[in-house]
Amino acid sequence: QQQVKQSPQSLIVQKGGISIINCAYENTAFDYFPWYQQFPGKGPALLIAIRPDVSEKKEGRFTISFNKSAKQFSLHIMDSQPGDSATYFCAATPTGANNLFFGTGTRLTVIP
Amino acid sequence: GAGVSQSPSNKVTEKGKDVELRCDPISGHTALYWYRQSLGQGLEFLIYFQGNSAPDKSGLPSDRFSAERTGGSVSTLTIQRTQQEDSAVYLCASSRDSGGSGANVLTFGAGSRLTVL
Repeated sequence: QQQVKQSPQSLIVQKGGISIINCAYENTAFDYFPWYQQFPGKGPALLIAIRPDVSEKKEGRFTISFNKSAKQFSLHIMDSQPGDSATYFCAATPTGANNLFFGTGTRLTVIP
Repeated sequence: GAGVSQSPSNKVTEKGKDVELRCDPISGHTALYWYRQSLGQGLEFLIYFQGNSAPDKSGLPSDRFSAERTGGSVSTLTIQRTQQEDSAVYLCASSRDSGGSGANVLTFGAGSRLTVL
């Protein structure tokens, strides 16, 4: 059973465009929502994370939007660059848990 | 070391053979995790260690899978009598501590790609 549902599976965006990846969850105990970025041949690396007490968090070109009532959160990449081409995973974890529940990943390709 | 180190990076084996995958976590990280990444399946949690003990083995897919950690450092994931469906990338991650939301930043290794013929 997938605890965190992620879409789309793949995404192609023109350079300079906005990339949007969406995730949804059911477990209301989840209270930490990180995004991980994975380049080919590498392990995932933490990109940005949010807690449910805020609706948005921005770090440079990367923004997480969080909708607690809808139990959804999304990653927005502004001014997408070819170097952003990677697989992105959303994740969630409840208080006291020992592991992260990951989405199935989104393969982003930014075309020059 | 500076990061999480995994070996081998690639392993090709025949069905029915046993394999061992090694993870060397970041020095001082007490928590260690194994995940499996299959094509289109995301990251599947396998097992978690706090120190040398494994309080959560819930993700191990079958009794052919086992893992141990010694000295609070290196961990080995063993797959016995490998099957073709075991083919995947096995990722190890470590973190400074465990539990608690937000405190648990996982640092992943590059993974061990296992192919079972």
